[in-house]
Amino acid sequence: AQSVTQLGSHVSVSEGALVLLRCNYSSSVPPYLFWYVQYPNQGLQLLLKYTSAATLVKGINGFEAEFKKSETSFHLTKPSAHMSDAAEYFCAVSVGGAQKLVFGQGTRLTINP
Amino acid sequence: EAGVAQSPRYKIIEKRQSVAFWCNPISGHATLYWYQQILGQGPKLLIQFQNNGVVDDSQLPKDRFSAERLKGVDSTLKIQPAKLEDSAVYLCASSLENGLLPTDTQYFGPGTRLTVL
Repeated sequence: AQSVTQLGSHVSVSEGALVLLRCNYSSSVPPYLFWYVQYPNQGLQLLLKYTSAATLVKGINGFEAEFKKSETSFHLTKPSAHMSDAAEYFCAVSVGGAQKLVFGQGTRLTINP
Repeated sequence: EAGVAQSPRYKIIEKRQSVAFWCNPISGHATLYWYQQILGQGPKLLIQFQNNGVVDDSQLPKDRFSAERLKGVDSTLKIQPAKLEDSAVYLCASSLENGLLPTDTQYFGPGTRLTVL
């Protein structure tokens, strides 16, 4: 069965520092992978998605993620954190032929001034 | 373009009561999803509609949960009777495409936070 595991339920970085949120997937077939962000009291918003076209995927708000098949990883990065990046981040994998998303448990990102 | 609308935003009920949530997807979106997000967890798909037909309801607790999508637009999710463990945020999402492509983008509403006492 396809699944994702997010390493670290809480990540704290200083403003201006590198953001690295980890996601590892388990899939018997080439996966389609997504990163979503959820701000307090809001729904989820798509940051970026991997659809096998390119291993380095650029998303909104300066985020990017790299698909590494050898490491079964799809980590999310941003070179310089901003206070507005504080939110919950979810990695997800698309299951089966239809777009049934299976989400990780989420990583709460805190930005320290 | 207006986003996915949900109501109510918050609901508090006692166990064994019934409750209903409403979702209006983005205009023209064929596929509609209901997710349950328990505190501290990622969203879990409850049911997926393609127009007004059910594509996947394998994780919907059918003894107490029901959902419908009349005329392929709005949708309601009902819980009857509610249990304490149903306390969660219920998210509605929609996608433009037919939902059969693994890369379709889902657009989420703000959710309904349900508290069962």
